[in-house]
Amino acid sequence: GAVVSQHPSWVICKSGTSVKIECRSLDFQATTMFWYRQFPKQSLMLMATSNEGSKATYEQGVEKDKFLINHASLTLSTLTVTSAHPEDSSFYICSGPTGGNTEAFFGQGTRLTVV
Amino acid sequence: AQSVTQLGSHVSVSEGALVLLRCNYSSSVPPYLFWYVQYPNQGLQLLLKYTTGATLVKGINGFEAEFKKSETSFHLTKPSAHMSDAAEYFCVLARQTGANNLFFGTGTRLTVIP
Repeated sequence: GAVVSQHPSWVICKSGTSVKIECRSLDFQATTMFWYRQFPKQSLMLMATSNEGSKATYEQGVEKDKFLINHASLTLSTLTVTSAHPEDSSFYICSGPTGGNTEAFFGQGTRLTVV
Repeated sequence: AQSVTQLGSHVSVSEGALVLLRCNYSSSVPPYLFWYVQYPNQGLQLLLKYTTGATLVKGINGFEAEFKKSETSFHLTKPSAHMSDAAEYFCVLARQTGANNLFFGTGTRLTVIP
């Protein structure tokens, strides 16, 4: 199957700093990628849809100025958590495009801890 | 509205015992249902999926799941647990039409006791 590589797998940062998470499709091109996050004891929830060449689409309640998404090429999407705070500590994971009955391909996920 | 509920955030079984991970869903349209597994420090890997047709679907590593519309369930089973089955399991729903994002259960961590 297709491979999605996500880095870093875990990161600890100080409150107020920014963290960039990369998501690369290694063997396919993706005009769309998805970013999810999971808080403890909760489901993975869609944060935003990353669109190559245009602005990302954010889900309700997700601050677009805080979670900057850049889809610079057909193989790279990045999520930058700006001015991170402890409440942003979570598990973030990206996936390639899904098409209803087709399998989604996920990155390894990033565990972000803000101290 | 779509949602997925996984009963039991942690399940422990003995090696060789039956594995049963429960998943119930809610969907206003016919769903596609998936089970993904996540091993430590790895991405999510597809175990199996139900789209249409046969309601009993078989996946990798001896897992299978049965789609029961009347019970809105899609439970995952394996007759005999192996140590290598220890992982996090996610039940996931996709809508057949409309937006193509996914709806996740909260996950079940399976521990296999030797």
